[in-house]
Amino acid sequence: AQKITQTQPGMFVQEKEAVTLDCTYDTSDPSYGLFWYKQPSSGEMIFLIYQGSYDQQNATEGRYSLNFQKARKSANLVISASQLGDSAMYFCAMREASAGGTSYGKLTFGQGTILTVHP
Amino acid sequence: DGGITQSPKYLFRKEGQNVTLSCEQNLNHDAMYWYRQDPGQGLRLIYYSQIVNDFQKGDIAEGYSVSREKKESFPLTVTSAQKNPTAFYLCASSWDSLRTTLHFGNGTRLTVT
Repeated sequence: AQKITQTQPGMFVQEKEAVTLDCTYDTSDPSYGLFWYKQPSSGEMIFLIYQGSYDQQNATEGRYSLNFQKARKSANLVISASQLGDSAMYFCAMREASAGGTSYGKLTFGQGTILTVHP
Repeated sequence: DGGITQSPKYLFRKEGQNVTLSCEQNLNHDAMYWYRQDPGQGLRLIYYSQIVNDFQKGDIAEGYSVSREKKESFPLTVTSAQKNPTAFYLCASSWDSLRTTLHFGNGTRLTVT
């Protein structure tokens, strides 16, 4: 079973509007972390935002916010006031505390969503 | 400036040849990782290492080998046993902690013909 699911292969948004990128996850571990990364066409991976499973409040970082719904196992990324430079691939990822018997395990990535911002 | 250096950026090899991708970090991170990315796909974990002289297989380790003789270095060898080696390879490092993000290198694009 997929641990991280991003159901939107591609999304389009008008410049200056907000957009939500969906991410659902599957884990039985009570302690986990959720990450969002941006990958421009150059290939580099840029960390955007983090949400811990025990964090009481939704994470925010500038124009990025994470809509964390624990019971639904969803961690959607909201980008406000989109800019042309936001056009990129976006990945949701999860780290489980007990994955593989190691202390903090590894990140599991979703398939990604390509975001295109129109002027 | 601290960071992760992957070299080379582009690599071309003939089928049947082994090739080694370099990854060096000066962030003093304990853990290092190798991911593979195919066009339009997510990242898949090849190998990871949490301490020197120890490493674990990821989800797609077949046809790859690694070593971790120094904390700063985690080279990946793509062997001739890897059936579809053409891909984009990303190295990353992090503290061994639940909350810390991965720091990525800029990647190596390997083409095997």
